[in-house]
Amino acid sequence: KNEVEQSPQNLTAQEGEFITINCSYSVGISALHWLQQHPGGGIVSLFMLSSGKKKHGRLIATINIQEKHSSLHITASHPRDSAVYICAVFQKLVFGQGTRLTINP
Amino acid sequence: DTAVSQTPKYLVTQMGNDKSIKCEQNLGHDTMYWYKQDSKKFLKIMFSYNNKELIINETVPNRFSPKSPDKAHLNLHINSLELGDSAVYFCASSQSYRTEAFFGQGTRLTVV
Repeated sequence: KNEVEQSPQNLTAQEGEFITINCSYSVGISALHWLQQHPGGGIVSLFMLSSGKKKHGRLIATINIQEKHSSLHITASHPRDSAVYICAVFQKLVFGQGTRLTINP
Repeated sequence: DTAVSQTPKYLVTQMGNDKSIKCEQNLGHDTMYWYKQDSKKFLKIMFSYNNKELIINETVPNRFSPKSPDKAHLNLHINSLELGDSAVYFCASSQSYRTEAFFGQGTRLTVV
């Protein structure tokens, strides 16, 4: 069992839907990182969280340190949001297995 | 200007060869990383360097060795390449473990 688990592993939705991707971890961390990997392979850092909630455009990330859980939300999803979303926890830099999101127009 | 750059982008080589992948960051960051992404797209950290000291060294074969000539560079050397080394290797940097990381575009290594 991975120290970091993401769910779901694959998610297909219609354009405009509200998306939630979950990340649970079992190790002690100082921060959690949400990454986005596009179909072309490039990786982009979305958020780094150590507590609470962060918002950037249509993306929202939350973390509950006590429950060892983080969520990434996408409002008004768009086909360009289709990518693999990965959560990674620091200090040990352990990664979840990724969630492949496909948004259909 | 590219923040984190890796070269080469593609590398095809035969089993048994020795190869290097270079990584440079112009962000003034203190920490650099190497990751391996396998065919299942699972991303795994290999090495982390902080101020030229190896901080994290996951259980990777000792055929892999990171070399950091200065704070802006972390090169990955691979000796005696094996078929299973075929993967995409990503370099990244961050100011510290607690701050946002910036990734290179990846190097697709194919061992034939």
